[in-house]
Amino acid sequence: NAGVTQTPKFQVLKTGQSMTLQCAQDMNHEYMSWYRQDPGMGLRLIHYSVGAGITDQGEVPNGYNVSRSTTEDFPLRLLSAAPSQTSVYFCASSYGQGVGTFFGQGTRLTVV
Amino acid sequence: RKEVEQDPGPFNVPEGATVAFNCTYSNSASQSFFWYRQDCRKEPKLLMSVYSSGNEDGRFTAQLNRASQYISLLIRDSKLSDSATYLCVVNALDNYGQNFVFGPGTRLSVLP
Repeated sequence: NAGVTQTPKFQVLKTGQSMTLQCAQDMNHEYMSWYRQDPGMGLRLIHYSVGAGITDQGEVPNGYNVSRSTTEDFPLRLLSAAPSQTSVYFCASSYGQGVGTFFGQGTRLTVV
Repeated sequence: RKEVEQDPGPFNVPEGATVAFNCTYSNSASQSFFWYRQDCRKEPKLLMSVYSSGNEDGRFTAQLNRASQYISLLIRDSKLSDSATYLCVVNALDNYGQNFVFGPGTRLSVLP
């Protein structure tokens, strides 16, 4: 079972560059989300989606865009990378509230 | 006050020891509670849900005290393989009631 698949696993960007982090799940989960994890900060929610065509902002949405055209895919776009966006990014999916969340393996992003 | 707070750690314990982690949450309306485990440089994985009556899974016992807004995780007979960071997770009350708030985690090292 693939579960939640994220690509790439590692990325180095220059300040000002844009890129898209890909996320796909094969569990037919309606709910998907993106988190970033920084030392001492825990995971913080960037954006989330409760189904195709529906997205909303989380705790730290600035500098990121998302879209949800299919149930399976939930890409995260960095519009103009900044060093403050250096972090580990996790995509997650779940059936919904009250049940556990499954995470992708993470993307380690460095912005120089 | 942060939404979810945990013991700062790290906890260094010998094999076979019993160790307890504490977590407090600020939103009294929260309904779902979980413990996740995260190994170094890996994604978080669901360890167990936390139910109102308390629940046990092998060597792991989770307790919830709604009045005190407090969650605990007890690990008995610690194994080397239990070394990881343990994340306390509480559902957030956003627009859709689907999100989760993660605590910063408590790191456990089980020593031979």
